[in-house]
Amino acid sequence: DGGITQSPKYLFRKEGQNVTLSCEQNLNHDAMYWYRQDPGQGLRLIYYSQIVNDFQKGDIAEGYSVSREKKESFPLTVTSAQKNPTAFYLCASSMGDNYGYTFGSGTRLTVV
Amino acid sequence: GENVEQHPSTLSVQEGDSAVIKCTYSDSASNYFPWYKQELGKGPQLIIDIRSNVGEKKDQRIAVTLNKTAKHFSLHITETQPEDSAVYFCAASPNSGNTPLVFGKGTRLSVIA
Repeated sequence: DGGITQSPKYLFRKEGQNVTLSCEQNLNHDAMYWYRQDPGQGLRLIYYSQIVNDFQKGDIAEGYSVSREKKESFPLTVTSAQKNPTAFYLCASSMGDNYGYTFGSGTRLTVV
Repeated sequence: GENVEQHPSTLSVQEGDSAVIKCTYSDSASNYFPWYKQELGKGPQLIIDIRSNVGEKKDQRIAVTLNKTAKHFSLHITETQPEDSAVYFCAASPNSGNTPLVFGKGTRLSVIA
């Protein structure tokens, strides 16, 4: 079955550490996205990529970095510069503009 | 840029009643409007969508209506069931190339048995 897989489901980070969240899709979608969701809040766009080897900052990119070396993969690194990283992170993919997104099941990141 | 407002933020209905969630958008060139359902601890799931050349679309108990003149669209759920309880997000696709969907802030729907 085609889909989008995020791992790990739960992740704990110590202060000052960088952590990388994985997102893989086998839907042959060109576009991929990362969102952050805080409790009771909506979806805030971190980064997006419309094509391999290209990506753009979203509304809250500070403290995060991404890469898009393969069509199937769009990992997100939460750096130590992100001062409040505890949140639920969602990855999504789509065929492009004016198409719905397929979301992964999310990664819950907690700073300990 | 596009701005999407969603109301209400919370909605409680009795099982079997209808639920309506409304969204307004600012960019008259937006042409694609999806709705997502997010259950607790899971990712959002696309439940229905509508394009600007259509005024209404139905899928069993779910329907979406679009009023391009007024720039608003609504989700209608009939004969609500407890499993409809979730957070619902609307979104709009700006008609400017390579721009991500703009989401509303969500509506928490509770269906009371």
